[in-house]
Amino acid sequence: GEQVEQLPSILRVQEGSSASINCTYENSASNYFPWYKQEPGENPKLIIDIRSNMERKQTQGLIVLLDKKAKRFSLHITDTQPGDSAMYFCAATPTTSSGQKLVFGQGTILKVYL
Amino acid sequence: GPKVLQIPSHQIIDMGQMVTLNCDPVSNHLYFYWYKQILGQQMEFLVNFYNGKVMEKSKLFKDQFSVERPDGSYFTLKIQPTALEDSAVYFCASSFNWGVYAEQFFGPGTRLTVL
Repeated sequence: GEQVEQLPSILRVQEGSSASINCTYENSASNYFPWYKQEPGENPKLIIDIRSNMERKQTQGLIVLLDKKAKRFSLHITDTQPGDSAMYFCAATPTTSSGQKLVFGQGTILKVYL
Repeated sequence: GPKVLQIPSHQIIDMGQMVTLNCDPVSNHLYFYWYKQILGQQMEFLVNFYNGKVMEKSKLFKDQFSVERPDGSYFTLKIQPTALEDSAVYFCASSFNWGVYAEQFFGPGTRLTVL
């Protein structure tokens, strides 16, 4: 299968704390895992990605982890700010695709409160 | 940064009518995609397109769907005739490169309501 499951669907965190979003995938051949952030009325934007030859990647306040054995990957936002409030989507790319076909998770609404 | 535009943002039509969704991709991008998102569910891949041809389509890309990009203008998704289950938000995306690691840039979506 090619399903990607994403949890939680809604996440409320206090400003300054960390937030974690978890995704699992079915296709063991998947080798690329991007994360998109979508603010209300805006385009989904790529914020960080990880390839299957890595286990961890960090950029600014974002960390992604990949556990290929468990077919699980996660996004961790450290020191959350109100500007981090948005919808977040994880995705995976199955290598069986002829080009690039993203399989998305269901999305997580992150709300950072003061 | 690079922006993908979609026109219109909302469209309401009666079942059985034809609808065309327009996408203005990033100017130097060569590869184009459509995704469908039913309310409360994830975005699902419909089709990708390059050099005037559909490269891959999913089972959601019904016979009533067609895509084209005539003369480098808008990349369009046409549905003819529409059905109630076509109600969704349709996202267009484009990329400069082809392949697994090519970054896809998304538009804001067109919300289609079929009555």
